[in-house]
Amino acid sequence: AQKVTQAQTEISVVEKEDVTLDCVYETRDTTYYLFWYKQPPSGELVFLIRRNSFDEQNEISGRYSWNFQKSTSSFNFTITASQVVDSAVYFCALSEAGFYGGATNKLIFGTGTLLAVQP
Amino acid sequence: DAGVTQSPTHLIKTRGQQVTLRCSPKSGHDTVSWYQQALGQGPQFIFQYYEEEERQRGNFPDRFSGHQFPNYSSELNVNALLLGDSALYLCASSRQQSSGGSTDTQYFGPGTRLTVL
Repeated sequence: AQKVTQAQTEISVVEKEDVTLDCVYETRDTTYYLFWYKQPPSGELVFLIRRNSFDEQNEISGRYSWNFQKSTSSFNFTITASQVVDSAVYFCALSEAGFYGGATNKLIFGTGTLLAVQP
Repeated sequence: DAGVTQSPTHLIKTRGQQVTLRCSPKSGHDTVSWYQQALGQGPQFIFQYYEEEERQRGNFPDRFSGHQFPNYSSELNVNALLLGDSALYLCASSRQQSSGGSTDTQYFGPGTRLTVL
């Protein structure tokens, strides 16, 4: 069975601190997809990144970076120099691959990590 | 370019009633998925529609049903409402890849907050 674990329920940091959100996943599939979404208080899930299981290269996008390690089944998310606008709930999610290898988008979400960035 | 839209924003129903939620996908998207998010939890997959058919289903009872229209918009129907159905219902849309059987990344709408009293 597929499962996503986000052990950190809440994290509080002061603005400009770096923060890492942990994500550990379980799957028996060899092809799968991992995602991070941000959910601000408005409720809408905002897509941040999608990564397939064959691409272990770390990715950086501005202040955001992601570390994918298949050996430990982890897909961690780091925010550098956090800002108050980063305050939100962050979800890690897993999707199995479809018949042709793409994501089915039947997402299995973790329980989320509430990040509070204090000014 | 309009994103995913959902209506209504909020809804209050009583136990035993029926409810219909609506979703319009992002322009160019043809696949719609529905999720239920209880307070303090991650979203849970209900089902996915493509070509007006239910393609995948999560672990939800038959009280949850859906429909997709030729213009790709979708409805989620919940019958015989229970208190436990109170949640944020999220719609997500994506585009089926030309090779079939898989989709591009999906984008979510703002959700419908359903309260069952």
